[in-house]
Amino acid sequence: AQSVTQLGSHVSVSEGALVLLRCNYSSSVPPYLFWYVQYPNQGLQLLLKYTSAATLVKGINGFEAEFKKSETSFHLTKPSAHMSDAAEYFCAVSVSGGSYIPTFGRGTSLIVHP
Amino acid sequence: GAGVSQSPSNKVTEKGKDVELRCDPISGHTALYWYRQSLGQGLEFLIYFQGNSAPDKSGLPSDRFSAERTGGSVSTLTIQRTQQEDSAVYLCASSKDRGRNTGELFFGEGSRLTVL
Repeated sequence: AQSVTQLGSHVSVSEGALVLLRCNYSSSVPPYLFWYVQYPNQGLQLLLKYTSAATLVKGINGFEAEFKKSETSFHLTKPSAHMSDAAEYFCAVSVSGGSYIPTFGRGTSLIVHP
Repeated sequence: GAGVSQSPSNKVTEKGKDVELRCDPISGHTALYWYRQSLGQGLEFLIYFQGNSAPDKSGLPSDRFSAERTGGSVSTLTIQRTQQEDSAVYLCASSKDRGRNTGELFFGEGSRLTVL
């Protein structure tokens, strides 16, 4: 079975600083990986996804993530944080053996200080 | 509508009562998912529909939980004899045909259930 671990339930950065949210996955078959963002009182929306094409994936709002098979990681980064980036971020994995039903991490709350 | 619609957005009920939560997926999306989001627990998978069938209901926590989908569209999640531990946000998501979709989901805003 596949699983996802997000390191750090809360990450705090200053506006303009680098954002790094960590995600490690476990899967016995090639995974599909996703980052979703949830703003307060809203549903989740897709930020970006890796589906076995380019290992560096660019998403919306300036976010990107790199798939590193050797490290089983899919960390999310953004060069310069903006106040509007404050939200909950979820990493997810799906595999063909799991009927492509995504398994989500526990989420990381990003706090951006002025 | 253009997105996934869930109702009610908020539900407060007394312990022991039954509740029904409704999900209206994006038109044409054949796959539908229910997840439960509890504080600090992330998203917990409950059940997955492909059309009107539920090939995976492994996440339903107990026999008090059931779900159905009719007409390949609207789904209802029913919780009988609610308990305080059922308090959570129940999220519905839909997607295009699973085989081509590779797990990209479109979520509703959720139904927040509070059991007193």
